[in-house]
Amino acid sequence: GESVGLHLPTLSVQEGDNSIINCAYSNSASDYFIWYKQESGKGPQFIIDIRSNMDKRQGQRVTVLLNKTVKHLSLQIAATQPGDSAVYFCAERKTSYDKVIFGPGTSLSVIP
Amino acid sequence: DAGVIQSPRHEVTEMGQEVTLRCKPISGHNSLFWYRQTMMRGLELLIYFNNNVPIDDSGMPEDRFSAKMPNASFSTLKIQPSEPRDSAVYFCASRGTDRAGGYTFGSGTRLTVV
Repeated sequence: GESVGLHLPTLSVQEGDNSIINCAYSNSASDYFIWYKQESGKGPQFIIDIRSNMDKRQGQRVTVLLNKTVKHLSLQIAATQPGDSAVYFCAERKTSYDKVIFGPGTSLSVIP
Repeated sequence: DAGVIQSPRHEVTEMGQEVTLRCKPISGHNSLFWYRQTMMRGLELLIYFNNNVPIDDSGMPEDRFSAKMPNASFSTLKIQPSEPRDSAVYFCASRGTDRAGGYTFGSGTRLTVV
């Protein structure tokens, strides 16, 4: 069935290093792919999204890459900081629908 | 902007009791979503509304769950009767037309059914 999944459930990085969080998806009909960050005790927070007709989009310290050939999505965080420690979810929005389906999440831990 | 407001933040109830969770979306947002989050199942979409009309309730687990959106500024998710397996964090999110991909989530209601 349709699903969004993550390769790595946990990721530990040294403060100042770059982080890469990966995600695989199976629904080619999705028109948007989205990354969320969830800190403990809070709701998911929108980070960045990318439309399916793009392959790269940059934000502040974050870059999302989309490879439609292999149905792979990644989130790169530059100069990772302790405040980046959280669970990161990739999600997809299905074409012509408004609902967003979330993947299982990756826990990012930043080592000071 | 106060964001998406959910109440209560925490709810502890006994099995069999009725539970009502409340959500106030961001003013001007025309889509509202209810999600449930558990360790086992992650974030699951229960139901969503567009312009106060339920569009897709295929994620509602059972008839014990119901949701309403009587106006653009208020929605409820009701569980009657509640069961221990309903224990989870329930999130409400809203989206306006200005952001195609992402939602704004509330802080959630942590429900514990004992």
